[in-house]
Amino acid sequence: EAGVAQSPRYKIIEKRQSVAFWCNPISGHATLYWYQQILGQGPKLLIQFQNNGVVDDSQLPKDRFSAERLKGVDSTLKIQPAKLEDSAVYLCASSRASSGRFLRSYNEQFFGPGTRLTVL
Amino acid sequence: KNQVEQSPQSLIILEGKNCTLQCNYTVSPFSNLRWYKQDTGRGPVSLTIMTFSENTKSNGRYTATLDADTKQSSLHITASQLSDSASYICVVSYMNYGGATNKLIFGTGTLLAVQP
Repeated sequence: EAGVAQSPRYKIIEKRQSVAFWCNPISGHATLYWYQQILGQGPKLLIQFQNNGVVDDSQLPKDRFSAERLKGVDSTLKIQPAKLEDSAVYLCASSRASSGRFLRSYNEQFFGPGTRLTVL
Repeated sequence: KNQVEQSPQSLIILEGKNCTLQCNYTVSPFSNLRWYKQDTGRGPVSLTIMTFSENTKSNGRYTATLDADTKQSSLHITASQLSDSASYICVVSYMNYGGATNKLIFGTGTLLAVQP
């Protein structure tokens, strides 16, 4: 079973520029997550999709961050314009489901390798 | 407030030695607790997952314990190897939105360095 794929692996941009990250989840996984992991901290959830619908985007800085999962499979996360404090690793994860009859199952999340963003 | 705290922040041990990492949480309503291993430059990989009724779970040289009464968990690594050098993250899952979805609270991790 192929894992979660992310690209690019590394990105360096200047502040006020735009950047986009791509994620391809594990086949058949309905739920997709984007996390931001600042150096020395645990991942922080930015947005969660169930198929192509948004379940939780309460911690997404919507003035500059946007994400979509139009066909319920791949997803893109965009930052426009970037700030210095956006420097972090952006992790994508997927799971079979996060609600309904799978709620009380382990519902394990599988993470991609991440994209390391450096904003200069 | 839902929080997960880990200790120590970092740890250096010699190859072959054992070590124990700690996790305390204040998360409610509790669903499950997971330990992840995150190698440098990679995404986290799940080691163990425990529900409320499970006290211990092993995965090779990794053994996790859970005390749901005191809201504490530990991860014990036996006979450490150089490849164990990584960040170990404790993650607690709770039910949100009236039980409709699971949410994860991540600890900040313990950075383990195993030296030859």
